Amino acid sequence: QKEVEQNSGPLSVPEGAIASLNCTYSDRGSQSFFWYRQYSGKSPELIMFIYSNGDKEDGRFTAQLNKASQYVSLLIRDSQPSDSATYLCAVNMELSGGYNKLIFGAGTRLAVHP
Amino acid sequence: DTGVSQDPRHKITKRGQNVTFRCDPISEHNRLYWYRQTLGQGPEFLTYFQNEAQLEKSRLLSDRFSAERPKGSFSTLEIQRTEQGDSAMYLCASSHPPYETQYFGPGTRLLVL
Repeated sequence: QKEVEQNSGPLSVPEGAIASLNCTYSDRGSQSFFWYRQYSGKSPELIMFIYSNGDKEDGRFTAQLNKASQYVSLLIRDSQPSDSATYLCAVNMELSGGYNKLIFGAGTRLAVHP
Repeated sequence: DTGVSQDPRHKITKRGQNVTFRCDPISEHNRLYWYRQTLGQGPEFLTYFQNEAQLEKSRLLSDRFSAERPKGSFSTLEIQRTEQGDSAMYLCASSHPPYETQYFGPGTRLLVL
C-alpha cells in the first residue's frame, strides 16, 4: 500500500463547476497535510495546508480533513480553465529530531473545459 | 525576497559524467530539502539539512549522490557517474521552524543521454 494515494485522473469538469480532489494516507500519526498545484513542466506551488479535522477555506479553495478516516480532500469552486493542472497531496512525516519530510501522492490531473 | 532559486534550470549530460546543482533557499529559512520527481509521480524525498547539518538521507540517495550545505545557506547536489535512470526533475524546498510549510524552487530538469 502506498503511503499517500490519489486518483491519477484526469478529472474533467466544466468551467464554473466544483472540482473535488481526494487523497488517502496510511500513517495514522500524521498531523499536517498540504495541497500543491503543479503546472506541466513547473515545480509544485503551495495552495493550502490543514492541520485540524474539518474544513478550511481560502478563496475558491476548501480543504477538508478527516483523520479518523485518514482522508483529505480539496474542493475548487467556480473552476476556471487556469485551474487545469496536477494537484499533489502531501502528508507531513515527522522524523526523529523534530523535523519533517513530505510524502507526496502521485497527483490528480484536473482538466477544466470551457 | 525572491523565493527559492535553483541553478541550472536544465541540464543535459552524457551517461558517466558528473553534474552539480545549486539551491538557494529563502533567506531566513534554515531547513532545506532535496526531492526528485519523475514523470507521472509526486516528488520523492532525497535529503534534508538543518543549517549546515545533513540530518536525513533517503535510501534513494545512492553513493553516487552527495549533497552539501557548507555554510548553512545555499546547498549543492552532485551526481557522479550519471546514469539514464537519473533523468528527472530535482527540486529544492526550504522551510523555517516552527512552520512546516515547504516552499519549492523552480527545479532543475536533468536529462542523461
